[in-house]
Amino acid sequence: GNSVTQMEGPVTLSEEAFLTINCTYTATGYPSLFWYVQYPGEGLQLLLKATKADDKGSNKGFEATYRKETTSFHLEKGSVQVSDSAVYFCALSDQRGAQKLVFGQGTRLTINP
Amino acid sequence: DTGVSQDPRHKITKRGQNVTFRCDPISEHNRLYWYRQTLGQGPEFLTYFQNEAQLEKSRLLSDRFSAERPKGSFSTLEIQRTEQGDSAMYLCASSLLSSYNEQFFGPGTRLTVL
Repeated sequence: GNSVTQMEGPVTLSEEAFLTINCTYTATGYPSLFWYVQYPGEGLQLLLKATKADDKGSNKGFEATYRKETTSFHLEKGSVQVSDSAVYFCALSDQRGAQKLVFGQGTRLTINP
Repeated sequence: DTGVSQDPRHKITKRGQNVTFRCDPISEHNRLYWYRQTLGQGPEFLTYFQNEAQLEKSRLLSDRFSAERPKGSFSTLEIQRTEQGDSAMYLCASSLLSSYNEQFFGPGTRLTVL
């Protein structure tokens, strides 16, 4: 079945540092790929998505590229801020049928000033 | 507020009691999903509705769990004879039928079974 593996956390960085959170997936067919973010005390929010190979999703300075050859969707940001502190989830869904989301275990990110 | 809402936000119950949670999706969304999230893990799919039809259920959804979406709008998730292992955050999400399926999540209901 489909699965997502994320880089284990927690991750602690200083403000303005470069961020990478690794995500790899196993899926049949061609899934859509997502990054969701959960800020403290809030619900899950979609951060970015990509629906086909080589697509780049981007939002709020974050980027991730759908790499079919390496089955990866790594999240990157060039300069993190304290406000980026949150839990980040990589997820996939089939593009047909129920399109249910399959999530990784999440990576807790803390940015220190 | 036109987002997904869930009620209650927190529920504490004793083992063996029944509990019911409600989810109100974004009004024009015809798909509704329930997920369960335990501490330190990502959400796991429980069940899915398209309009009022429940089209898929996870093996995680034991016989003690039942979900309904009677008029294709709000949904309820009931857990009968709760067990301590049912303690988790229960998340609801809604989306429009499309190939991209962007799901919008509610704030969740945190269940604690004593």
